[in-house]
Amino acid sequence: GESVGLHLPTLSVQEGDNSIINCAYSNSASDYFIWYKQESGKGPQFIIDIRSNMDKRQGQRVTVLLNKTVKHLSLQIAATQPGDSAVYFCAENMGTGFQKLVFGTGTRLLVSP
Amino acid sequence: GAGVSQTPSNKVTEKGKYVELRCDPISGHTALYWYRQSLGQGPEFLIYFQGTGAADDSGLPNDRFFAVRPEGSVSTLKIQRTERGDSAVYLCASSSDRTLNTEAFFGQGTRLTVV
Repeated sequence: GESVGLHLPTLSVQEGDNSIINCAYSNSASDYFIWYKQESGKGPQFIIDIRSNMDKRQGQRVTVLLNKTVKHLSLQIAATQPGDSAVYFCAENMGTGFQKLVFGTGTRLLVSP
Repeated sequence: GAGVSQTPSNKVTEKGKYVELRCDPISGHTALYWYRQSLGQGPEFLIYFQGTGAADDSGLPNDRFFAVRPEGSVSTLKIQRTERGDSAVYLCASSSDRTLNTEAFFGQGTRLTVV
C-alpha cells in the first residue's frame, strides 16, 4: 500500500543550529500534509500544515517545504532549542473532506545544549 | 486545561478480556478520531466520528474492535477478546470541524498492555 516514510530515524543537533527533518510520501494524489511533534508520554502536537497547492509555508521558527515533483516534504526548525527535542512525524491525508491521516514512523530530534 | 482527555492513562488486561477506553473531546468539537500507535511507529487511523455517527471505520483491524459516540461527545473504544498484539497506545483526537483546515487536537493516549 501507499505510505509515508522518513529518511533519518535520529537527528542530533546543537542548540542554536537549524534542523531539517525530511519525509517522503508515495501518494501523488495527497493534497494535505501535517507535521506533528510528539514528546514522550504525550499525544502528537500539531506544528504546521501545508496544502498541495503551496510549496512553502512558514510559522514561528518552522518552515515546511513541499516538493510534489519528487514527493518530498521537509520541516525546517530555526535556532533549535532543547525544548524542540521530540519525535517528529509527517502525516499525509488520505481522507476526502476529513482528516484520515497516514503517519510516517517518525524522526527523533535530539538537541544538545 | 480543556484539552482532549483520555481515561484510563494506562490499562493492563489479560488476554481474552474485554476493555473499554474512554475519550472526552474538547467541548463543542464535532469531529472525533481514534488512532492506534505501536511502539516506535506513527499513529494508525482507526475510526472517525462526525457527530454521533461513524463516518469512516475502515481502520478498525477486525470485528473485535468497536467504537461508539452515542451523544456526539464522549466516545468509547471497545475491544473484545483482547490479544497481545492489541498492546499499543490508543490516541483520540477531536476537531471543531470535519474539514481539512481545522486542527485536530490529540489526547495523551491510553497505553493498553495485554498480558
